[in-house]
Parts: sequence; structure tokens; C-alpha cells
Amino acid sequence: DAMVIQNPRYQVTQFGKPVTLSCSQTLNHNVMYWYQQKSSQAPKLLFHYYDKDFNNEADTPDNFQSRRPNTSFCFLDIRSPGLGDAAMYLCATSRPGTDSYEQYFGPGTRLTVT
Amino acid sequence: AQKVTQAQTEISVVEKEDVTLDCVYETRDTTYYLFWYKQPPSGELVFLIRRNSFDEQNEISGRYSWNFQKSTSSFNFTITASQVVDSAVYFCALLNNAGNMLTFGGGTRLMVKP
Repeated sequence: DAMVIQNPRYQVTQFGKPVTLSCSQTLNHNVMYWYQQKSSQAPKLLFHYYDKDFNNEADTPDNFQSRRPNTSFCFLDIRSPGLGDAAMYLCATSRPGTDSYEQYFGPGTRLTVT
Repeated sequence: AQKVTQAQTEISVVEKEDVTLDCVYETRDTTYYLFWYKQPPSGELVFLIRRNSFDEQNEISGRYSWNFQKSTSSFNFTITASQVVDSAVYFCALLNNAGNMLTFGGGTRLMVKP
């Protein structure tokens, strides 16, 4: 089945130690998104790629970076995680201009910072 | 700018009761898309429904029904004969016409007690 995959589902990292979360998709969607969702809050968009074009949200900290080496994969890099970066990170994909328009979400990676 | 408001932060019902989750939105787009997602404790966002702004027909799917009222900018979600498995956080979301901005409401935590 076509889907959005996130690995790992659970990630523990140490304060200040760089960490990378990965997302892959078999939907051949041209847009990929990264959201951060903290406990009891709504998902918050960090950035998205429209094809190869990177679009950063204005309030996304510089500590967060992203890479998209090809259509299928997108990575979220947190250069120096702080305790406040502990959250669920959700990847989503879409293909604007098609009938569905919706964003398809992966299962998320729950990041713990110790 | 667009905005989604879910005034009910938490609802508690007893199994078999009907429950309605409210959603009110603001947008300047004439074409837009509304969604409901379910987020169980596992964290994955589960797509429930999409409604286009030009389609005000209400929809029923099993125990779920949605009432879209463009005149009041509302898109309410009703669960009939609630079950314990319905316990989750439910998010209403608004997608802009360009298809690249998905705005979530704050979510409503539904607890269904046996």
C-alpha cells in the first residue's frame, strides 16, 4: 500500500546531541511537510518542501534543518536538541492540484531528550 | 490569515451517548478544504473526512456525521452512540486554496467512559 513511513517511531537523544528523523513516502507526492506536536497541542508546521524548493516557517528555530535528497525521502535534523524539543514529529505529504488535496500523515516519531 | 477554533478542549461522555464536536473557521479564500482528523494515544493522525468549500452537503459515515454550514463558518462533527474506542483527540483543520497551508484547531479531547 502507498504510504508515509517514519523511522524510528521512538527516538531518545541526549541534550545537545544531533539527531536526524527520517520520512519516506511511496505516494509520489511532490510536497513533504514536517510538523512538531508538543503534548496537548495541535501540530505546528516547521517547514515544507515543494519539489526541491524549501519553505521555512518564520518562527521555526534555526536549530531545525531539513534535507530532501529525492522525491521519496525527507529528513529532519535537530542540530542541538534541547529539553523543549521533546515532541512528536509528524511528516506529511500532498500533491496540490489533484482532487484529494489532503495531507497524508505518517505515524510520527516521538522524540525524547534526556 | 486563516484560523480554526475548537472551543471544546475536553469532552467526557458515557458510552452510547451522542456527542458533537464543534469547529469554527476563518478564511479569506473562497475555495478551501476542511478536514477532521482523529489522534488516538498512539499519536498517528487518522484522516476522517474532507469537505470542499463548494460542497455543503452533509455526510454520514456509519456512526459519524458532519454538518457543514458555510453561513456560520462551522464544520461540526457528531458521533452517534459513542464507544470507548472513540476516545481520542480530534482535530479540525482548514487547508487553503493553494493547498500548502493546513491550519489546525486546538483539538478536542474526547473521553468515552464505559
